[in-house]
Amino acid sequence: KAGVTQTPRYLIKTRGQQVTLSCSPISGHRSVSWYQQTPGQGLQFLFEYFSETQRNKGNFPGRFSGRQFSNSRSEMNVSTLELGDSALYLCASSLEGLGNQPQHFGDGTRLSIL
Amino acid sequence: AQSVTQPDIHITVSEGASLELRCNYSYGATPYLFWYVQSPGQGLQLLLKYFSGDTLVQGIKGFEAEFKRSQSSFNLRKPSVHWSDAAEYFCVVEAGNTGKLIFGQGTTLQVKP
Repeated sequence: KAGVTQTPRYLIKTRGQQVTLSCSPISGHRSVSWYQQTPGQGLQFLFEYFSETQRNKGNFPGRFSGRQFSNSRSEMNVSTLELGDSALYLCASSLEGLGNQPQHFGDGTRLSIL
Repeated sequence: AQSVTQPDIHITVSEGASLELRCNYSYGATPYLFWYVQSPGQGLQLLLKYFSGDTLVQGIKGFEAEFKRSQSSFNLRKPSVHWSDAAEYFCVVEAGNTGKLIFGQGTTLQVKP
């Protein structure tokens, strides 16, 4: 069974631009969560989607948004990029997003802002 | 609020030696607990999980962890470390059936030959 696939693996953008990251979950998984990983803040929860609806949201500004499609694939968008948005963005999927269903992570998208 | 503390940022052990990575959590009820490992440039791989029942849980790659409610701890152990175990290890608590994971700061393991 294929794992969680994130594209692209690397991205370089400049301040003020916007970016879209993609995540394809494990087949049959309907919950997709996004996390930001930085050296200073560690791993922080961005949001979680289930059945095309955002169910939970972390403490990030509105520039960070996402969506989920009917096939459970998810995209994350960051607008008006700032230098501090440079990070590894990780996507994770689970069956239904319940606490006792382990989340499986992709290899991430490394976003660098110049 | 839920939180996870990994007191050791960096640990170095010799190959073949035993390993224990510490983790303390703060959570009101019985938590769902996980240990994940991350190799450089990679995503996170699940090592083991605790939901309920037996407090000693076995995971992949020879790792185990013990849940101690009285100490709010979930320490990760391995009897004999291999050079390939060098990586960053994260203790994680799930925030009340929301699908939101709360991560500790991580412990970087270095293995000496």
